Amino acid sequence: KQEVTQIPAALSVPEGENLVLNCSFTDSAIYNLQWFRQDPGKGLTSLLLIQSSQREQTSGRLNASLDKSSGRSTLYIAASQPGDSATYLCAVVNDYKLSFGAGTTVTVRA
Amino acid sequence: DTAVSQTPKYLVTQMGNDKSIKCEQNLGHDTMYWYKQDSKKFLKIMFSYNNKELIINETVPNRFSPKSPDKAHLNLHINSLELGDSAVYFCASSQKPPYYGYTFGSGTRLTVV
Repeated sequence: KQEVTQIPAALSVPEGENLVLNCSFTDSAIYNLQWFRQDPGKGLTSLLLIQSSQREQTSGRLNASLDKSSGRSTLYIAASQPGDSATYLCAVVNDYKLSFGAGTTVTVRA
Repeated sequence: DTAVSQTPKYLVTQMGNDKSIKCEQNLGHDTMYWYKQDSKKFLKIMFSYNNKELIINETVPNRFSPKSPDKAHLNLHINSLELGDSAVYFCASSQKPPYYGYTFGSGTRLTVV
């Protein structure tokens, strides 16, 4: 059974600081990995999708890396802004099933 | 032109009632899912349908019954609602295999009183 862990559970940083969010998973036989953002009371917005054969993906200030053999992914957010405050969820696909971590709740202080 | 749409957005009902949540996707995806997000915000898969066929059925009480009339729709019917069913229910869709990832609806917040 796939277990996904996200560390830290919560993070508070001043505006402008870089963010580093960690995700680990127990079964390395994943199809792909997806990072989502969830704002309070809202749905899930896809941020980045990394295929199992890829090492990283980038979109604007966001960069996600994947080390499948060690079961780890890291989401980097450069030059954080108050609008980046949200919960960030890591999810991996095995056998067409998406398994989520518990999320990292980020607060960026102005 | 919402990609995955769920109705209703909020649902407040009494214990023992039966309720349904509807989901529709216009992405042309083959596979649809129901996820439950509990009070601790943890998301867990409940069901998955591929082209109207049930392919994933996690350990969910049989009071929950998914129905897929066609590959663009997946509804969730819940019988004899209990307080513990209060949660946010998310519908999602993907291709099979999910090469392009998953797209989620905005969620239905169910409150059982």
